[in-house]
Amino acid sequence: EVQLLESGGGLVQPGGSLRLSCAASGFSLSDYAMTWVRQAPGKGLGWVSGISRSGDDTFYADSVKGRFTISRDNSKNTLYLQMNSLRAEDTAVFYCARGGLTVARGAFDIWGQGTMVTVSS
Amino acid sequence: DIQMTQSPSSLSASVGDRVTITCRASQTISSYLNWYQQKPGKAPKVLIYAASSLKSGVPSRFTGSGSGTDFTLTISSLQPEDFATYYCQQTYSAPCSFGQGTKLEIK
Repeated sequence: EVQLLESGGGLVQPGGSLRLSCAASGFSLSDYAMTWVRQAPGKGLGWVSGISRSGDDTFYADSVKGRFTISRDNSKNTLYLQMNSLRAEDTAVFYCARGGLTVARGAFDIWGQGTMVTVSS
Repeated sequence: DIQMTQSPSSLSASVGDRVTITCRASQTISSYLNWYQQKPGKAPKVLIYAASSLKSGVPSRFTGSGSGTDFTLTISSLQPEDFATYYCQQTYSAPCSFGQGTKLEIK
């Protein structure tokens, strides 16, 4: 079965760090660009970051640029999101999603179940 | 960055109704427009990609149209399972922004 499974969410204090992981199964991660999308409680979807198939190209929303780092280990079939200097407004469910051949130009056809990140003192 | 604007933000309708949701991009995005459905507590699910292509397994009552900056999602005859929130998304260029969502509720 083709699926994505996120982990690593939790409660963290403002200014703290977390690393999210997204394990892919049923397909080869290296064949697809990947993306992180977040959803604050009661709010809409927000694109966070995307990474090319090789990992050479990365893209970020302005709101997380300089604080978050997306990466991937295709040998482990796993996507990551390192989140530093976390703020209360980063509180959200974080989803990983499978894209197309490039970061843009493809719909997100497979989504994980989401992992909750809460930033609070 | 490209901004996506959906309307309406919410919509009340009855089973069997035909409903249309619109999405406008702040600049031309060709046909790089996708539609997603999200139910409470669940991940989004793609319905339509490339503006008008129906994802395999999605009922044919869902249709998408448009190109350039203006797009629509139409549900021809609402079913009980269609009451959810719908989002458009552009994948013309990163950041691949979403619309703010349209919540479809039962009248």
